[in-house]
Amino acid sequence: QITLKESGPTVVKPTQTLTLTCTFSGFSLSTTTVGVGWIRQPPGQALEWLALIYWDGAKRYGPSLKSRLTITKDTSKNQVVLTMTNMDPVDTATYYCVHTSDSIRGAFDPWGQGILVTVSS
Amino acid sequence: DIQMTQSPSSLSASVGDRVTITCRASQSISTFLNWYQQKPGKAPKLLIYAASSLQSWVPSRFKGSGSGTDFSLTISSLQPEDFATYYCLQSFNTPPWTFGQGTKVEMK
Repeated sequence: QITLKESGPTVVKPTQTLTLTCTFSGFSLSTTTVGVGWIRQPPGQALEWLALIYWDGAKRYGPSLKSRLTITKDTSKNQVVLTMTNMDPVDTATYYCVHTSDSIRGAFDPWGQGILVTVSS
Repeated sequence: DIQMTQSPSSLSASVGDRVTITCRASQSISTFLNWYQQKPGKAPKLLIYAASSLQSWVPSRFKGSGSGTDFSLTISSLQPEDFATYYCLQSFNTPPWTFGQGTKVEMK
């Protein structure tokens, strides 16, 4: 059974850097085709795809936030870390990490429970 | 980047109704289209991948269709547990990928 769980601060101040960790089980990020991604959802709004890292270390970012995002993996710890710089109140959202496989492109399954991050001074 | 236009943004329907949600891509995406279902306060769940393949947990009243630029999600007979928000996601080529704006299916 694959599970993922997001962790990190639930409140950050404007201009700070957000660091979120996705800790997963039930799969290895060293297995061919496997990937872990991040998706966010502002309160009452739509989903936004943020970033993805694959088993081979390839990284992909959404264009609107690309300059502020970094995604890394620690295969030995079964963790993926997303950092987002220069946080702003508009970045207030629930952040989800997801499992995916390149063999079924775009199929994010399952999702973590999500973590609500509020940006406020 | 590929844009996804999803419609309607919301709809009201009754149990037993037939419901159709559409997504239109700004360019051809073949069948690289996935549908997600999200219930209030919960993470989304993958419903349909590759335009028409149902996840194992999805009842047969759900149907995904389309290719190229036009796609649809149809619920043949709406059930109480189907009231939710539905999102499409295009996954053509390498990321970035884009979600539609969502369709909230509400009880009439």
